[in-house]
Amino acid sequence: AQSVTQPDIHITVSEGASLELRCNYSYGATPYLFWYVQSPGQGLQLLLKYFSGDTLVQGIKGFEAEFKRSQSSFNLRKPSVHWSDAAEYFCAVGANAGGTSYGKLTFGQGTILTVHP
Amino acid sequence: GAVVSQHPSRVICKSGTSVKIECRSLDFQATTMFWYRQFPKQSLMLMATSNEGSKATYEQGVEKDKFLINHASLTLSTLTVTSAHPEDSSFYICSARDIARGNNEQFFGPGTRLTVL
Repeated sequence: AQSVTQPDIHITVSEGASLELRCNYSYGATPYLFWYVQSPGQGLQLLLKYFSGDTLVQGIKGFEAEFKRSQSSFNLRKPSVHWSDAAEYFCAVGANAGGTSYGKLTFGQGTILTVHP
Repeated sequence: GAVVSQHPSRVICKSGTSVKIECRSLDFQATTMFWYRQFPKQSLMLMATSNEGSKATYEQGVEKDKFLINHASLTLSTLTVTSAHPEDSSFYICSARDIARGNNEQFFGPGTRLTVL
């Protein structure tokens, strides 16, 4: 069974500082990996995704993530955080095999990002 | 492109009544849609996978007779919460997979906030 762990429930950074949100996954093969952002009371917006190829993935809003197979990680980074980045961030793993599991996403617990001025 | 809508965005109902939530893919066809539930300050939990023209597949612990899912067309799936109780109050989010993209990317709706009095 696939699983995702986001070790940090809440992270606080100052505006302009760099950011790294951790994500570790468990999956039997090469996974599909996603990062989503959710503002309070809103749906999910896709920041970036990894399916195959280059392990450093660029996303929207200046975010990037690196897939490290050896560490089973897909950490999200941003070099300079803006106040508008304050939100909750979810890492997700998707099954890429066929059968009944195909397409299912398993989400991590989420990391709440607070940005201080 | 790849827009998913949900209706209603908010609903308040009395205990014992039924509530229907619609999920529509506006500019693409989706043979598969997913329904998630998110309790306050928690992650998204997959409830069921909805396949066009066939019965939904429910996750373990989700009552199929309580959460009725109908995926009657390639652009519409509905979730009906029957005989709702206060513990069903939650944020319900749907997602849809674009069959034309041929990969595991899901597009999320904005969510429906259900409050059962």
